[in-house]
Amino acid sequence: QKEVEQNSGPLSVPEGAIASLNCTYSDRGSQSFFWYRQYSGKSPELIMFIYSNGDKEDGRFTAQLNKASQYVSLLIRDSQPSDSATYLCAVTPTNNDMRFGAGTRLTVKP
Amino acid sequence: GAVVSQHPSWVICKSGTSVKIECRSLDFQATTMFWYRQFPKQSLMLMATSNEGSKATYEQGVEKDKFLINHASLTLSTLTVTSAHPEDSSFYICSARPGQGGAEQYFGPGTRLTVT
Repeated sequence: QKEVEQNSGPLSVPEGAIASLNCTYSDRGSQSFFWYRQYSGKSPELIMFIYSNGDKEDGRFTAQLNKASQYVSLLIRDSQPSDSATYLCAVTPTNNDMRFGAGTRLTVKP
Repeated sequence: GAVVSQHPSWVICKSGTSVKIECRSLDFQATTMFWYRQFPKQSLMLMATSNEGSKATYEQGVEKDKFLINHASLTLSTLTVTSAHPEDSSFYICSARPGQGGAEQYFGPGTRLTVT
């Protein structure tokens, strides 16, 4: 089992819709959870982090964490074509080295 | 805040030569820096973790004598690819973790290496 798993996609949503990106992790002791956005040919950019169970909102982005289910998600409301990118889920397991999922490619169609 | 720079942004070198890539945290001190490699359409692969003033910790399968890492200060880490070969051509990205606070990492813009 991979430490961090994401659906590779591609996930395609129309402009203005909600994009839902999901991630599961294997280490139940993980403490920190991150979402990065990576445009093609560019390096990852941190967009959200969450440490506690529940929801965390920042503008159009909402991160959701459920430690009991070992599940973290990212919702993007009012999706824009500029949101088209690969979204990387990252988890800090108990040994404190961040592990990345393979990423989900999102396409927002005008 | 939390800006990380990398230099050069791209480099082309001949097979057998060495290339040095610099990673700097511009507005914070980074006790830990990380080096990743990413091949086209593939996920990030952690190569090594470096802590200021100590030897880097390399991931399994990464040759420490080929990929030399130096973390000489709290704001600078360097990766030297020695005796480069065409298969070393890749996108090399560094990241830095602030000394205080959470576990988040901030990435540099990356260096695209082409070995001919």
